[in-house]
Amino acid sequence: TQLLEQSPQFLSIQEGENLTVYCNSSSVFSSLQWYRQEPGEGPVLLVTVVTGGEVKKLKRLTFQFGDARKDSSLHITAAQPGDTGLYLCAGAVTGFQKLVFGTGTRLLVSP
Amino acid sequence: GAGVSQTPSNKVTEKGKYVELRCDPISGHTALYWYRQSLGQGPEFLIYFQGTGAADDSGLPNDRFFAVRPEGSVSTLKIQRTERGDSAVYLCASSFGGSDEQFFGPGTRLTVL
Repeated sequence: TQLLEQSPQFLSIQEGENLTVYCNSSSVFSSLQWYRQEPGEGPVLLVTVVTGGEVKKLKRLTFQFGDARKDSSLHITAAQPGDTGLYLCAGAVTGFQKLVFGTGTRLLVSP
Repeated sequence: GAGVSQTPSNKVTEKGKYVELRCDPISGHTALYWYRQSLGQGPEFLIYFQGTGAADDSGLPNDRFFAVRPEGSVSTLKIQRTERGDSAVYLCASSFGGSDEQFFGPGTRLTVL
């Protein structure tokens, strides 16, 4: 069974602070996605990383895929209240189409 | 273009009843997925369709759960003899061909009293 563990589970910070969310597994994934989910809505895809060591930037968000394709991180620079939400990592299992989701990191950014 | 749509957005039913949840994927997406999300958890895979056939139903918890996609577009998730433990948000996603990138609908919140 593939498991993805995210840390921290909950993060409450002030506007302007930086933060990093980690997503770790003992399994290798063919790709990894990061989603953000707001209450009452479905997850919204932020980014997909495919190559080990890959780094992608989306404005103030930086995503990195581990060299061994087992882990990933999401770094947010100068967080804003609009970044508040549940961040989910999801790994695509090689040979299968299903996604294995992490436990989620709930981020609260206060003004 | 329109995203994935799901109906109803909320469903309240009594223990033992039958429910159907509908998903309308993004036009042109051949792959469709159902996930279940319990409170405070990440989504858990239920079933995956490629076209009309269920390519992977390994996540269905038991034989009370069944899903169909008769014409390769709209899908219906069917739950028989509902139990209180079935209460969750049921999410549908679709993707193009063999892409790993899945796009999710808003979900149906099922409450079994």
